[in-house]
Amino acid sequence: DQQVKQNSPSLSVQEGRISILNCDYTNSMFDYFLWYKKYPAEGPTFLISISSIKDKNEDGRFTVFLNKSAKHLSLHIVPSQPGDSAVYFCAAYYNTDKLIFGTGTRLQVFP
Amino acid sequence: KAGVTQTPRYLIKTRGQQVTLSCSPISGHRSVSWYQQTPGQGLQFLFEYFSETQRNKGNFPGRFSGRQFSNSRSEMNVSTLELGDSALYLCASRSGGGDEQFFGPGTRLTVL
Repeated sequence: DQQVKQNSPSLSVQEGRISILNCDYTNSMFDYFLWYKKYPAEGPTFLISISSIKDKNEDGRFTVFLNKSAKHLSLHIVPSQPGDSAVYFCAAYYNTDKLIFGTGTRLQVFP
Repeated sequence: KAGVTQTPRYLIKTRGQQVTLSCSPISGHRSVSWYQQTPGQGLQFLFEYFSETQRNKGNFPGRFSGRQFSNSRSEMNVSTLELGDSALYLCASRSGGGDEQFFGPGTRLTVL
């Protein structure tokens, strides 16, 4: 049972435009959400996180939005750059217990 | 500060064999978690160790086991390898109560 879902396996965006990556979850007990970015042959690197008591967190070009009623979060990247091309995973915790990952979305930013 | 290291980086085994993977966490981190990444499945949580004790466990068969040593280094063992065990195995460390996990580069295991 996939508790964290990323329904879009891939996304292609033009450089300079906004990239929106989506993530849905089923467990209402999740209280902390994270986005990780992964390049081939490397481990995932932490990008940005949000606590369930907030609905938005911003860090430079990256903003994460959380809609608890819809059990949905999204990552916005503005403006998108070619170096952002990678696989993005959303992940969720409850009670700082085990981290549950989504299946990932491959983002490609083209010139 | 050195990051999370994993050895070996690549491994080829045959069905029925066993394998041991190693992970050295960031200095001072007491929690080590292991994940399996396969195409289409994302990162599947295997288990987490904290202060030499298994704190959490995912839904994997008993062929997958692990341990943690007093210096926080961790090993993961897979016995009686199956073709489906071919994957990238990632370990991650965190300080304990912290939420952010720091990942190593992974060990690519191929089972023939």
